[in-house]
Amino acid sequence: AQSVTQLGSHVSVSEGALVLLRCNYSSSVPPYLFWYVQYPNQGLQLLLKYTTGATLVKGINGFEAEFKKSETSFHLTKPSAHMSDAAEYFCAVRAHTGGFKTIFGAGTRLFVKA
Amino acid sequence: ETGVTQSPTHLIKTRGQQVTLRCSSQSGHNTVSWYQQALGQGPQFIFQYYREEENGRGNFPPRFSGLQFPNYSSELNVNALELDDSALYLCASSPPGDFLIQETQYFGPGTRLLVL
Repeated sequence: AQSVTQLGSHVSVSEGALVLLRCNYSSSVPPYLFWYVQYPNQGLQLLLKYTTGATLVKGINGFEAEFKKSETSFHLTKPSAHMSDAAEYFCAVRAHTGGFKTIFGAGTRLFVKA
Repeated sequence: ETGVTQSPTHLIKTRGQQVTLRCSSQSGHNTVSWYQQALGQGPQFIFQYYREEENGRGNFPPRFSGLQFPNYSSELNVNALELDDSALYLCASSPPGDFLIQETQYFGPGTRLLVL
C-alpha cells in the first residue's frame, strides 16, 4: 500500500529564507508524485508533479522538488520565501495505474515571518 | 474556461440526516474524484467516477455514494450522517485520456459540511 509522510506539521521561516518541506513516500514501485498548496478556505492547487524523466521538477511560484528514488523522498524547496507563500502544503502520490486515486500526506503549514 | 465548481459552499446538518453535494467538472473533463478532508488532515480519497460509473473507491462505507451525469457533473450523497462526517469535501475533475497518461486533477474549492 502506498503512503506519504510529511515531516513537520508546521514550518516557520523568515521572509527571504530558504523553504524546505520534507516528504517521504512508501510504494512498491515509484509512483507519480505531487505537491499541492492550499490557501485558507480554498481548494487544492497543483504546484508541481513528477511523472517520469528529469528528477528535478520546477513548479509554479518559484518552487521546485527533487525525486530521489534511493531515499524515497520528494522534498519541496524554494530559495527565498515570500509572505504570500504562507499556506498549507500537501505531498501526494498516485500509482501509475488504477485511475486518479491519490494518497495525500497530512500536510505542512508554512509560516513566513516578516 | 470555467474551472471546477462545487455547491453549496457551506452546509449544516444534524446527525442522522442525509446530504447531497454537487460538483461541476471543468469543461471537457470526464473523470471526477471526491475527497474528504477532515480538519487538520490531508484529503482522503472517497471514490472516482468515469463515464458515469464508479471506477475506484477508498475506505469509506456504503452510505457514501455518488452519481455522475451525462454532462459529467457529479453528486456525492452521504446517508445517516455522523459527527465525524464533518469535513471539507473536495471534488476534482480530470481530462479524458488514458489513465496512464493523464495525471492532472483540477480541484474545486470544496463544500464545508458541519454535522451537529
